[in-house]
Amino acid sequence: SQQGEEDPQALSIQEGENATMNCSYKTSINNLQWYRQNSGRGLVHLILIRSNEREKHSGRLRVTLDTSKKSSSLLITASRAADTASYFCATVGGSNYKLTFGKGTLLTVNP
Amino acid sequence: KAGVTQTPRYLIKTRGQQVTLSCSPISGHRSVSWYQQTPGQGLQFLFEYFSETQRNKGNFPGRFSGRQFSNSRSEMNVSTLELGDSALYLCASSSSGTGTGETQYFGPGTRLLVL
Repeated sequence: SQQGEEDPQALSIQEGENATMNCSYKTSINNLQWYRQNSGRGLVHLILIRSNEREKHSGRLRVTLDTSKKSSSLLITASRAADTASYFCATVGGSNYKLTFGKGTLLTVNP
Repeated sequence: KAGVTQTPRYLIKTRGQQVTLSCSPISGHRSVSWYQQTPGQGLQFLFEYFSETQRNKGNFPGRFSGRQFSNSRSEMNVSTLELGDSALYLCASSSSGTGTGETQYFGPGTRLLVL
C-alpha cells in the first residue's frame, strides 16, 4: 500500500524555472526521504528530513516537512534539462525497516 | 566505493518458471532491502535482510523469498512466475537499515519480463 501521495502526478516546466512537488502521507513517520529516478533506472537518494526538522537544503533542493499536516514539499530551483526524472517521496515510520513510497511526480524540464 | 550491483540486469522468463536475482551491497553495508516496481502498483517493499536475518517483510505471496549470505550479498527468488511478476526489481543497501533513518543506496535494478 502507498503511504505517500505525490502531487502533481506530472509537471512540465522550462529550464530556469522552479519546480515544486508535494507529498502527503497518512501515518506518523520517523523521517521522510526524496528520491529521483531516471527513466526506469535505480533510485538516487536526494535528501532526508527527520520528523523533528522543518526544512532542509541541499544545493538547489529545498525540502520542507509539516508533520501537523502530514505533508512535505520538494523545491528544485533553477531547473535544468538534466533534472527531468520521476521524483518519489518515501516515508519511514515506527520500528519498521522499510521505505514506503508514493507513486511519484514525473518532472519534465524543457530546454 | 563501488555502488550496489544487481545481476542480471535483464531477464526474460516464461510463466511457471522460477528466477533468482542477485544483489551485492556497498562494501560494509549489512542491510539489504528489495523492492518491486510496476507501472500499476508503483514501488513496493518486498523484504529486508540484516546480518543474514529477514527483519521485515512486505505483503507479497510466499512465492517471493530471499536470503542473505555472510558477506551481505543477497538473493531473491520468485517461484512459479506469473505474468504480473513482470517488473523492475530494485535492491538497496545501507549500514543499519531504514529504521535508523539512514540513506538507502539503490542498485540499477533487474528488469524481469514474464511471457
